[in-house]
Amino acid sequence: GQQVMQIPQYQHVQEGEDFTTYCNSSTTLSNIQWYKQRPGGHPVFLIQLVKSGEVKKQKRLTFQFGEAKKNSSLHITATQTTDVGTYFCSSSLYNQGGKLIFGQGTELSVKP
Amino acid sequence: NAGVMQNPRHLVRRRGQEARLRCSPMKGHSHVYWYRQLPEEGLKFMVYLQKENIIDESGMPKERFSAEFPKEGPSILRIQQVVRGDSAAYFCASSPPGTGVGYTFGSGTRLTVV
Repeated sequence: GQQVMQIPQYQHVQEGEDFTTYCNSSTTLSNIQWYKQRPGGHPVFLIQLVKSGEVKKQKRLTFQFGEAKKNSSLHITATQTTDVGTYFCSSSLYNQGGKLIFGQGTELSVKP
Repeated sequence: NAGVMQNPRHLVRRRGQEARLRCSPMKGHSHVYWYRQLPEEGLKFMVYLQKENIIDESGMPKERFSAEFPKEGPSILRIQQVVRGDSAAYFCASSPPGTGVGYTFGSGTRLTVV
């Protein structure tokens, strides 16, 4: 079945450093959605990208969708301790309603 | 405007017992999805339901697991004869009709089998 691969699995940064997580698929994706899960919490929707080459920003977060719609990235500028958590990419499958397939997630830790 | 409500938050069951997990979607959302998350792993799709219909259960184990979303009341994920390997966080999510845009997740049920 369709899979979404995400790297790295873990990332440890010093507060103020940048952070990037990458998401890749062997097949064209209809969209990419990003979620954040704080330790002990539940996933929270961040954003959806639909168009080829799309770039969206939310304050210090920049989301990109590749030209071929097979990859995506989330970049955080100048991390803060509040950014700690696991970031998941996901995609809904064509003609399968709203079912989402999630990547394995990237766990971000930020050292103050 | 309550979000997705899941209960219980924590559930402890002995091996062989039954576990029932409940989920009430957001108001206006008619699509419910169940996901399982093992420690330090991602979210694995289990089942997708609409009222009185199972749309996709391709992620459900063949035995012991069942799900329903009745006309009235919450969606129920039922695990019979639990085993230690069933210990996980079970998340329910809901979305508006026709799209998978922006799931709203519940707080999850952490199931521990002892």
